[in-house]
Amino acid sequence: DAGITQSPRHKVTETGTPVTLRCHQTENHRYMYWYRQDPGHGLRLIHYSYGVKDTDKGEVSDGYSVSRSKTEDFLLTLESATSSQTSVYFCATHGQRNTEAFFGQGTRLTVV
Amino acid sequence: ILNVEQSPQSLHVQEGDSTNFTCSFPSSNFYALHWYRWETAKSPEALFVMTLNGDEKKKGRISATLNTKEGYSYLYIKGSQPEDSATYLCAFIKGDDKIIFGKGTRLHILP
Repeated sequence: DAGITQSPRHKVTETGTPVTLRCHQTENHRYMYWYRQDPGHGLRLIHYSYGVKDTDKGEVSDGYSVSRSKTEDFLLTLESATSSQTSVYFCATHGQRNTEAFFGQGTRLTVV
Repeated sequence: ILNVEQSPQSLHVQEGDSTNFTCSFPSSNFYALHWYRWETAKSPEALFVMTLNGDEKKKGRISATLNTKEGYSYLYIKGSQPEDSATYLCAFIKGDDKIIFGKGTRLHILP
């Protein structure tokens, strides 16, 4: 299995609080992605990174920010969590553009 | 807006029958097309990575074809087995490195 770890795996938080999810990889992959999975929507891209300090927005980036200060870590921050951000969040990585992506185990976030 | 469309959304197939489903994607700015298999309570796992028009890939009873000019890919499963029950995702990789997923085809194999 590819070494991709998401933390925490589960979190319940209150509306308006900041939340940071972490994706850690040991594969030295260049590309990292954050997705959210919601019923009826599949996987939707939030933000992605194509290298250290290089990030860009995805389809559903409003309310989210990311940082990548080193190759192995990609952080997703909800500055002020809302109930609409209750979801399962997946991190993915891949090394080259023409290779498969590997996924973390997912983080289930509930905003109450 | 970039759309990756998969059809059908859901499919019930008798064990032993063969089946196929479709992924359609924009034909411009194409870099690669991936297929993933996603079982409940697990993470998606890659089946195929396809980059060239006319590509055909095969892994056991599962195969896929790619037409980049018209923007579609087919996934075929021959002789369906219960363990094939899963959601099958396709993903379109653009020239700017975004990986955009379709909503998936949920396959149920009936005993």
